[in-house]
Amino acid sequence: AQKVTQAQTEISVVEKEDVTLDCVYETRDTTYYLFWYKQPPSGELVFLIRRNSFDEQNEISGRYSWNFQKSTSSFNFTITASQVVDSAVYFCALSEGYNFNKFYFGSGTKLNVKP
Amino acid sequence: GAVVSQHPSWVICKSGTSVKIECRSLDFQATTMFWYRQFPKQSLMLMATSNEGSKATYEQGVEKDKFLINHASLTLSTLTVTSAHPEDSSFYICSARGGSMAKNIQYFGAGTRLSVL
Repeated sequence: AQKVTQAQTEISVVEKEDVTLDCVYETRDTTYYLFWYKQPPSGELVFLIRRNSFDEQNEISGRYSWNFQKSTSSFNFTITASQVVDSAVYFCALSEGYNFNKFYFGSGTKLNVKP
Repeated sequence: GAVVSQHPSWVICKSGTSVKIECRSLDFQATTMFWYRQFPKQSLMLMATSNEGSKATYEQGVEKDKFLINHASLTLSTLTVTSAHPEDSSFYICSARGGSMAKNIQYFGAGTRLSVL
């Protein structure tokens, strides 16, 4: 079974729209970490955020915000007032326990932001 | 954040030749480095994990004789694709973690696109 599910394969929005990328995870561990990475067309995966299972506080960083809900096993990512430069593939990932050597990646969501 | 450099970014080679890809951590000591393979429009598939000074641990189904990994120092790991064939054409991306800066996060290189003719 998939440990990380990103059901949205591709999303297209027009610049300045808000967009939410969904991530649902599955684990039996009580300690785990969740990550979001951005992969622009250049290929490099850019680290965006890490959240541990004991911290359910939502986080905001500029136009980015993350909503972590253990009750629904979700860690959704919202971009407010999207820009063309946000166009990329976004990956959600899970590591269980303190094993940061094993990342379970979702299949990614391709975001197209049109001018 | 921590910086990982990967070189080359693109390589084209003839079938049967070997190709070496380098992965360097520029501002931290990478005790552990990882090599992933990514097919078009797909997620990352972990190929192997290497710790400095020891043999790499390969994931199931990855041929260790085909994909040679060396992690000789705390800042450098190399992946050599031996006797490359067209089916080895793919996007290879490395990541690294270690030190206080990258203790619990994998930082990724920019990837290498390999095309085998």
